[in-house]
Amino acid sequence: DADVTQTPRNRITKTGKRIMLECSQTKGHDRMYWYRQDPGLGLRLIYYSFDVKDINKGEISDGYSVSRQAQAKFSLSLESAIPNQTALYFCATSDWAGGSADTQYFGPGTRLTVL
Amino acid sequence: QQQVKQSPQSLIVQKGGIPIINCAYENTAFDYFPWYQQFPGKGPALLIAIRPDVSEKKEGRFTISFNKSAKQFSLHIMDSQPGDSATYFCAASTTGSQGNLIFGKGTKLSVKP
Repeated sequence: DADVTQTPRNRITKTGKRIMLECSQTKGHDRMYWYRQDPGLGLRLIYYSFDVKDINKGEISDGYSVSRQAQAKFSLSLESAIPNQTALYFCATSDWAGGSADTQYFGPGTRLTVL
Repeated sequence: QQQVKQSPQSLIVQKGGIPIINCAYENTAFDYFPWYQQFPGKGPALLIAIRPDVSEKKEGRFTISFNKSAKQFSLHIMDSQPGDSATYFCAASTTGSQGNLIFGKGTKLSVKP
């Protein structure tokens, strides 16, 4: 987990506020992902990026945006937070090796509460 | 077709028992099936993975059984220990440049002493 860091680890905010969650990695991986985890719903993909110039929507991108500032940094923004975005958010990285399967390495998570 | 269905949602076993977690999928293009383990307050971490060219893979006390015709795979934990208490996620993907992981909804396992 130390290779993938997320800030902040916990955040409480109010409805309508703009929030940014940050992810940094020292693994040198090209691929980065943002997931949200909700009880009983598992891990759902929000956005993913295969390199600095590549951004793709995941399963549940509405209400979120991302920025890939560098190979090592991938930020998730909530432009106007709403209560149903209260969840645990995970950043992950992987190093695709040309046809072989990805192992994803997850950060420690950010617990976001929107009041 | 993209779903991975995981059961049960929660599971309680006694120490030494053999919990079994099951997953089913529909997309026959999936060719990589990992299991991730998540302890409280931590991110998920890869535990063990299998490809459909084998029916079973074992790593220590953890075994994946794979049934290609039934499109099902399961995780067995032999001689379970309280330290195995965690949430387990199955997943599936297609290897290649666009193969993202599709996760099941998770199983919370509690191993009682």
